[in-house]
Amino acid sequence: QAVVTQEPSLTVSPGGTVTLTCGSSTGPVTSGHYPYWFQQKPGQVPRTLMYDISKKYSWTPARFSGSLLGGKAALTLSGAQPEDEADYYCSLSYSGTRIWVFGGGTRLTVL
Amino acid sequence: EVQLVESGGGLVQPGGSLTLSCAASGFSFNTYWMHWVRQAPGKGLVWVSRINSDGTITTYADSVKGRFTISRDNAKKTLYLQMDSLRAEDTAVYYCARDLFDPWGQGTLVTVSS
Repeated sequence: QAVVTQEPSLTVSPGGTVTLTCGSSTGPVTSGHYPYWFQQKPGQVPRTLMYDISKKYSWTPARFSGSLLGGKAALTLSGAQPEDEADYYCSLSYSGTRIWVFGGGTRLTVL
Repeated sequence: EVQLVESGGGLVQPGGSLTLSCAASGFSFNTYWMHWVRQAPGKGLVWVSRINSDGTITTYADSVKGRFTISRDNAKKTLYLQMDSLRAEDTAVYYCARDLFDPWGQGTLVTVSS
């Protein structure tokens, strides 16, 4: 089964910009992996932020954006707010086997 | 309001079985694929299984293949996860989610311990 990799932790200053990435052990991440991004705060249910690389939900703050960057999926936060401090997970679909795989998560600190 | 409510979690001995349920409301359940995702205490999210809208296509993570069975009853608007041969490493909060991973249920805790 494929392994999806994320940075274990990142720190961003309030108002700053940070990019989280999501890589695949099988090769470059493409649109065919239908990348998703999720936010989870302590004690809360995960909330989906982004799907299909860069599509947002109605509740997704405009300061979040998604892209493909250097063979990985990327989530960029521009203008970080204290409430953005959370764990962020990505997931990729492997259509050949019809399975989904989550990354290990990135703990984002706003400090 | 679109809502998913899991139930059926609890304490079970290693080697035992448990069936989780996920009751759906507020949307046309029979038109959506559905997922199960789990999260061990203090750990990350792990995708478990997915089922298509009519229940004819199912896929599983390698870690549960052959032990877990996903199914659904569209008339009852309910998703199930039958878990057999449970191991300590299956201890987790189990979430159901609609396709596009939206929304998620609140989760139900499964503890495998003697």
